[in-house]
Amino acid sequence: KNQVEQSPQSLIILEGKNCTLQCNYTVSPFSNLRWYKQDTGRGPVSLTIMTFSENTKSNGRYTATLDADTKQSSLHITASQLSDSASYICVVRGRDSNYQLIWGAGTKLIIKP
Amino acid sequence: DAGVIQSPRHEVTEMGQEVTLRCKPISGHDYLFWYRQTMMRGLELLIYFNNNVPIDDSGMPEDRFSAKMPNASFSTLKIQPSEPRDSAVYFCASSFLAARSGNTIYFGEGSWLTVV
Repeated sequence: KNQVEQSPQSLIILEGKNCTLQCNYTVSPFSNLRWYKQDTGRGPVSLTIMTFSENTKSNGRYTATLDADTKQSSLHITASQLSDSASYICVVRGRDSNYQLIWGAGTKLIIKP
Repeated sequence: DAGVIQSPRHEVTEMGQEVTLRCKPISGHDYLFWYRQTMMRGLELLIYFNNNVPIDDSGMPEDRFSAKMPNASFSTLKIQPSEPRDSAVYFCASSFLAARSGNTIYFGEGSWLTVV
């Protein structure tokens, strides 16, 4: 069964610290993986998308990695800011389905001053 | 562009009442999606349209739910009759071409529905 699992479920860190969020998936065959940021009370916003051939992609202080062999992705946040407090959702698309996006449950990140 | 526009932003209704949620996708986008988000189940795809035609409605929970897209700039999601378990945030989203091309899906701000 195609699944996307994220860890940790929630995370609290101090402002200025770094953190890494994990995403493991079983979707096969694989097409692409996206990370979304969802602020409380808002819709998800795309941070990055990675295809099979990409290992690392950065978007400002956000760096996503992908290991297609182990079916793992991570989102690293550097020098966290209060505005980084949000849920981060990993979404994987399989290659053989018309529009099947498998959504993870998300990691709720809280940045404390 | 104003992005995906949804209305209402918040709605509280009594059980049994009809609820209509509205969505205006980003101009030029040919895919429109309706999602539902709850704490228990996360984001769930309810239905999506391509060029105003419903392609996959397998996520629609029951016959009480229906969605229409009469033109490229407007879609509705209707619940009749509503039940307390329908309480959730309903997101409309749109994209240009299919996600298979890697194009991003843009979400609206959501409609927060509470059925009492």
